[in-house]
Amino acid sequence: DAGITQSPRYKITETGRQVTLMCHQTWSHSYMFWYRQDLGHGLRLIYYSAAADITDKGEVPDGYVVSRSKTENFPLTLESATRSQTSVYFCASSEAPGSGNTIYFGEGSWLTVV
Amino acid sequence: AQSVTQPDIHITVSEGASLELRCNYSYGATPYLFWYVQSPGQGLQLLLKYFSGDTLVQGIKGFEAEFKRSQSSFNLRKPSVHWSDAAEYFCAVGEWSGGYQKVTFGTGTKLQVIP
Repeated sequence: DAGITQSPRYKITETGRQVTLMCHQTWSHSYMFWYRQDLGHGLRLIYYSAAADITDKGEVPDGYVVSRSKTENFPLTLESATRSQTSVYFCASSEAPGSGNTIYFGEGSWLTVV
Repeated sequence: AQSVTQPDIHITVSEGASLELRCNYSYGATPYLFWYVQSPGQGLQLLLKYFSGDTLVQGIKGFEAEFKRSQSSFNLRKPSVHWSDAAEYFCAVGEWSGGYQKVTFGTGTKLQVIP
């Protein structure tokens, strides 16, 4: 039961570089999410996807791009990384709509932008 | 818009003592409420959730939470804390928005357990 796998787990990059965080889930969940976690802010939703080829913005989408060509993959790209994007990024998934479906989280990707 | 407040940033309890973590939410309708736990370097794991029915919800690892509509609260409790419970705890509220369940998280309460 692999669940959700994120890669890389740790990344240091320079300002202005493009970075892609990968997310793969083995449950065939319809919904996938990207959150960022920052001290004092809890978790904030960046983007979500309801199905393959369907994505939408969350609370803090600026500077990020997502795609979902396959149900199991949901990569997050920082097109031109900035220091304010230093954070811990969590990918998550849940089943198709239903009352309060559980969101399952990956183990996180620690990104530092220098 | 929905919101969640966890008033305690950090709590320290002795092993074996009881625990209560506070959570207050703001939401117009009946909310979906969750408690998640995050161990250092790990993702979030669901402890328990409330959607309807019995207002006292049992979860994993001996945790329970009680939904009190009149107080807009969903406090997490455990009668006897173990050292392995040291972690960060997040309360969250969910609502249906734009065809998906939007979940808003609180800022977390970090629990320290002392011998």
